[in-house]
Amino acid sequence: NAGVTQTPKFQVLKTGQSMTLQCAQDMNHNSMYWYRQDPGMGLRLIYYSASEGTTDKGEVPNGYNVSRLNKREFSLRLESAAPSQTSVYFCASSETGGAYEQYFGPGTRLTVT
Amino acid sequence: DAKTTQPNSMESNEEEPVHLPCNHSTISGTDYIHWYRQLPSQGPEYVIHGLTSNVNNRMASLAIAEDRKSSTLILHRATLRDAAVYYCILRGAWMDSSYKLIFGSGTRLLVRP
Repeated sequence: NAGVTQTPKFQVLKTGQSMTLQCAQDMNHNSMYWYRQDPGMGLRLIYYSASEGTTDKGEVPNGYNVSRLNKREFSLRLESAAPSQTSVYFCASSETGGAYEQYFGPGTRLTVT
Repeated sequence: DAKTTQPNSMESNEEEPVHLPCNHSTISGTDYIHWYRQLPSQGPEYVIHGLTSNVNNRMASLAIAEDRKSSTLILHRATLRDAAVYYCILRGAWMDSSYKLIFGSGTRLLVRP
């Protein structure tokens, strides 16, 4: 099992450019999540999908859109990148419910100049 | 969302036990206590979780106070590989909107050889 995979690993964008971060999991989990982590900070939830076909905003959704393409894949799109979106982005998945742990991907390091 | 309070940093000697404390005085009856850790340049990694009773697994033990207002993660013999940021997180039950993880700033554990 690959677990949670993310592409790309690194990306540099100019202000105003758009891009999509891809995430896939092979554990048949219902729930998937996108977080961002700024230097020296904890993770903050951007969006989550409790199950296929549903998405909800987290703590910091502004400037992002998501698509739960199917049960395996959950993408994060930046329509018009801003320097404030420079961060490391982590995708995670889990079974739905408080008793279940989340599994995280390796992260995408994004720099917006 | 219920909050947790952790010390910013702690130090330990290699091969000695480590007790990482967490206060969560506003915990609700359905909140699970989760611990994750994040090694440098990696995504968070699940460590352990519990609801009311103490829990053990191959990585660590979790001691939960009787009133559930605090908990302690115990690493029985610290190794250099255990140097990481440790996050204590409350996760609500399935029907509760707080079933997503909310990360604080965590405790940075330094392990001395």
